[in-house]
Amino acid sequence: AQSVTQLDSQVPVFEEAPVELRCNYSSSVSVYLFWYVQYPNQGLQLLLKYLSGSTLVKGINGFEAEFNKSQTSFHLRKPSVHISDTAEYFCAVTPNDYKLSFGAGTTVTVRA
Amino acid sequence: NAGVTQTPKFRVLKTGQSMTLLCAQDMNHEYMYWYRQDPGMGLRLIHYSVGEGTTAKGEVPDGYNVSRLKKQNFLLGLESAAPSQTSVYFCASSYSVAEGGGYEQYFGPGTRLTVT
Repeated sequence: AQSVTQLDSQVPVFEEAPVELRCNYSSSVSVYLFWYVQYPNQGLQLLLKYLSGSTLVKGINGFEAEFNKSQTSFHLRKPSVHISDTAEYFCAVTPNDYKLSFGAGTTVTVRA
Repeated sequence: NAGVTQTPKFRVLKTGQSMTLLCAQDMNHEYMYWYRQDPGMGLRLIHYSVGEGTTAKGEVPDGYNVSRLKKQNFLLGLESAAPSQTSVYFCASSYSVAEGGGYEQYFGPGTRLTVT
């Protein structure tokens, strides 16, 4: 079984400042990793994913994440946030092509 | 292309009542899923389906039933609603790897259910 820990439940940040959201996972097998974003009162949409290859993956809206196998981490970063980045962010893993396991989520609030 | 749609968007039930949530996708995805989202708990998988006519239990299946009679639809039923089932329910779908999928799931807008 897999489990996902998002280390911060709330991250307040000022506009144009950088942000990092931390995600650690545990699994006895290789996994595929994802970050999803949920804007208020909406469903989830994919930000980025790591399947294989380069450990630094770039996603939509200027986000990127780095897979670190030895530390079992997949942290999400953005160098300069906008008010529109206010949302909840979920890290997820799967060992196959279905059955995602999600973290509890990190709420990012961007202030002017 | 509507993607994944869910009906209804909101519903209030009394304890003991039953209801069915409908999920429809127009992407011809093989796999479909039902999740519930509760504060501080992320999304938890209720049931899923890897093809028409097949269903399987997820992490929190008790109190729910599902059916996948057509490839594009996945129904979630609550036979006797309880206050603990107050939640936001999300449906999702995805391609299988055999279909050329990239493992990501596509989500509907959610159904907010309150059981009083």
